[in-house]
Amino acid sequence: GAVVSQHPSRVICKSGTSVKIECRSLDFQATTMFWYRQFPKQSLMLMATSNEGSKATYEQGVEKDKFLINHASLTLSTLTVTSAHPEDSSFYICSARVGFGRETQYFGPGTRLLVL
Amino acid sequence: DAKTTQPPSMDCAEGRAANLPCNHSTISGNEYVYWYRQIHSQGPQYIIHGLKNNETNEMASLIITEDRKSSTLILPHATLRDTAVYYCIVSINDYKLSFGAGTTVTVRA
Repeated sequence: GAVVSQHPSRVICKSGTSVKIECRSLDFQATTMFWYRQFPKQSLMLMATSNEGSKATYEQGVEKDKFLINHASLTLSTLTVTSAHPEDSSFYICSARVGFGRETQYFGPGTRLLVL
Repeated sequence: DAKTTQPPSMDCAEGRAANLPCNHSTISGNEYVYWYRQIHSQGPQYIIHGLKNNETNEMASLIITEDRKSSTLILPHATLRDTAVYYCIVSINDYKLSFGAGTTVTVRA
């Protein structure tokens, strides 16, 4: 199956700093990538959808100025958590989709963010 | 997208088949049934999907009832590594997946 990587796998930062998380599709080109957030003992929640070369579409309640998404190439999307606060501590997961007609999204291993 | 209902948890014995039910009584004609699983602290993993015919791959089988209002995911020979949360998702395509609470499956030796 297709492989999606995320970097870093874990990050600890101080409150007020910004953190960038990378999501890469390693062996395929992803026309669309998705970013999810998962709090402990909860299910995944979709944050935003990004298509290569265009602005991301954010789900209701997700602040686009706080969670900056860039999808500059068909194999890389980045999520930047700006001015992180302890309540942003969570498990962030990306997924990548080849294109309409392919059957599935492929998920990355996730990035655990802890904001102190 | 139609909503799904899954039991919150189930146990199964190692080496036996695990049958995971999912109700999706409001499914529409163009919606697929997708199954993903999430092993603790990892990203979800695609298992299988189908529209109306039963499907089988190297991981599992998917049985969809004739009226499409429910389905069953079958793990033919459960192993300890199959312990995970299993999500049944109904969607027109895989563009936007809405994850519910899923079923926590514990495989016991």
